[in-house]
Amino acid sequence: QLQLQESGPRLVKPSETLPLTCTVSGGSLSSGGSSWGWFRQPPGKGLEYMGNIYYSGRTLYNPSLKSRLTMSVDTSKNQFSLTLNSVTASDAAVYFCARIGGVATFGGIIHPWGQGTLVTVSS
Amino acid sequence: SSELTQEPAVSVALGQTVRITCQGGNLRRFYANWYQQRPGQAPSLVMYGKDNRPSGIPDRFSGSISGNTASLTITGAQAEDEADYYCNSRDSSGDLVVFGGGTKLTVL
Repeated sequence: QLQLQESGPRLVKPSETLPLTCTVSGGSLSSGGSSWGWFRQPPGKGLEYMGNIYYSGRTLYNPSLKSRLTMSVDTSKNQFSLTLNSVTASDAAVYFCARIGGVATFGGIIHPWGQGTLVTVSS
Repeated sequence: SSELTQEPAVSVALGQTVRITCQGGNLRRFYANWYQQRPGQAPSLVMYGKDNRPSGIPDRFSGSISGNTASLTITGAQAEDEADYYCNSRDSSGDLVVFGGGTKLTVL
């Protein structure tokens, strides 16, 4: 059974960089047709797509975050990561990683999700 | 701004039927998928494609599509169905994921 787990700092200072890693177990990052995504949810608000990365390293980013966001994949560790630069209070959120699967017409089936990690931005 | 529109809140009496909708122009090209999120938990897939339930999702959940509107219907809503529900699909480029704003379902 595929499982994903986020890890990283719970507290980040304004203007600094947020690094998060998602470890995949019970399956491989090279699963055919899948990509691996990051999502976030500010307290009390809805879900936001941040971006996704394929096993090949191809990335797709939400235009609103593109200038600050970098994603990478480490196939040897079965992990994928994000770094978000120049964080502000508006970046405080629960961050989720997940697999995005299904053929294109299925609109991006996001399953399974990691449990999420709460990130606070404060000096 | 979201390319998918959901009603912010819906309520249903216990045991009754409720439909949650997701509207967007891209739904004429791409299916919507649906997620349930209970407080303090990660979202969980409850419906994908036209009307496909992942393993373990009760058959009281069903999906449909009409024009640019996708719907998630719960027939005989239970107390445990009280949650936030989000739809997702693709943006106009077909590359990026987009979400609806979410619907808070209250079971009375």
